[in-house]
Amino acid sequence: GEDVEQSLFLSVREGDSSVINCTYTDSSSTYLYWYKQEPGAGLQLLTYIFSNMDMKQDQRLTVLLNKKDKHLSLRIADTQTGDSAIYFCAEKGGGYQKVTFGTGTKLQVIP
Amino acid sequence: NAGVTQTPKFRVLKTGQSMTLLCAQDMNHEYMYWYRQDPGMGLRLIHYSVGEGTTAKGEVPDGYNVSRLKKQNFLLGLESAAPSQTSVYFCASSYGGQRALPTYEQYFGPGTRLTVT
Repeated sequence: GEDVEQSLFLSVREGDSSVINCTYTDSSSTYLYWYKQEPGAGLQLLTYIFSNMDMKQDQRLTVLLNKKDKHLSLRIADTQTGDSAIYFCAEKGGGYQKVTFGTGTKLQVIP
Repeated sequence: NAGVTQTPKFRVLKTGQSMTLLCAQDMNHEYMYWYRQDPGMGLRLIHYSVGEGTTAKGEVPDGYNVSRLKKQNFLLGLESAAPSQTSVYFCASSYGGQRALPTYEQYFGPGTRLTVT
């Protein structure tokens, strides 16, 4: 079945850039997502990229997709303490709307 | 709009007890989902529903049952709770079909933290 892998933890200093990485196995993925989970809350869609794109930029967020290596990354520029959260990579294949989520990466921002 | 709400927020059960978790959404979404979140495991799909009166098994359905009698509600039942079911449970909902475009975004509730002793 589909599998999505992420490292569990990342620590950065406030003002630095953060890069969160993800690998997935489903070669038929059509959408790839980054969801953000703040403490004590549910997940919220942060950004997404279609599988036919290489890059997407949205203000401080840059998503890079290497479809050949099945690698997705999320770069957060000028990381702030408010960015501290768990970031989930997720992918959707064809067919019904099943989305496979990764293990989540906990981002800690040090003031 | 309240979005997706979950009841209760916290619960402690003894092994063998039963309970029902309630999920409600006011966005007229067709699809609803139940996930569990465990440390180092991410989110795993328990059951889902593509419309009123329909349910289907996800990745980890054993020990759980679900019902979708009304479009806005999705209930998750534990008939005989086990310590392995200690987890945080999230409900989510989404549009179906063309209305789900372009993102197929899922909207999540705040979660229910369940401890089984």
